[in-house]
Amino acid sequence: DTAVSQTPKYLVTQMGNDKSIKCEQNLGHDTMYWYKQDSKKFLKIMFSYNNKELIINETVPNRFSPKSPDKAHLNLHINSLELGDSAVYFCASSQVAGTGQSTFGSGTRLTVV
Amino acid sequence: LAKTTQPISMDSYEGQEVNITCSHNNIATNDYITWYQQFPSQGPRFIIQGYKTKVTNEVASLFIPADRKSSTLSLPRVSLSDTAVYYCLVGEDSGAGSYQLTFGKGTKLSVIP
Repeated sequence: DTAVSQTPKYLVTQMGNDKSIKCEQNLGHDTMYWYKQDSKKFLKIMFSYNNKELIINETVPNRFSPKSPDKAHLNLHINSLELGDSAVYFCASSQVAGTGQSTFGSGTRLTVV
Repeated sequence: LAKTTQPISMDSYEGQEVNITCSHNNIATNDYITWYQQFPSQGPRFIIQGYKTKVTNEVASLFIPADRKSSTLSLPRVSLSDTAVYYCLVGEDSGAGSYQLTFGKGTKLSVIP
């Protein structure tokens, strides 16, 4: 019954590799997001999708590419991973025309070695 | 995006009421004030949201003065399980149903037996 689920929960990979993180929500929300939480615990938005359309694309390296096959899924693909990409990545979703009441997944801890 | 300022940490004994104040001097007319709770290794969880005056739900109360330049999250009779980081944030309607949340550093609440 998990509302927003991410896989994998942990991901350890070497520099230069390409990896993907998957996210699915069963809440019927039209908007999905990706956030990054760094080692200092700052949580920052990366992307926002509404009905499979990109709405927000913050200053994120183009090595990061979100993919939304349908409005219930928003995957994050990262090319040529760097040490600085190590962080916890959270997927979230909210209702159409919502006012900030987002539901977050449990996060994916990415470690680049 | 409006910036928020809140105490870095607070300690409280079990059973006490805890008030966490947040300042957001440049809040915009359309901004809502939202509070999230985050436990270690979990995603943020929505607690409460308000626009003005007072809002109460089963978990907390939110007090917002008329000028909306600050807000206070009130947790009644905290227990050990309330130990977490609490984020105050104001959001921005990014259009097309997307609501951009900007997280600050949060307040780490430690509840002491």
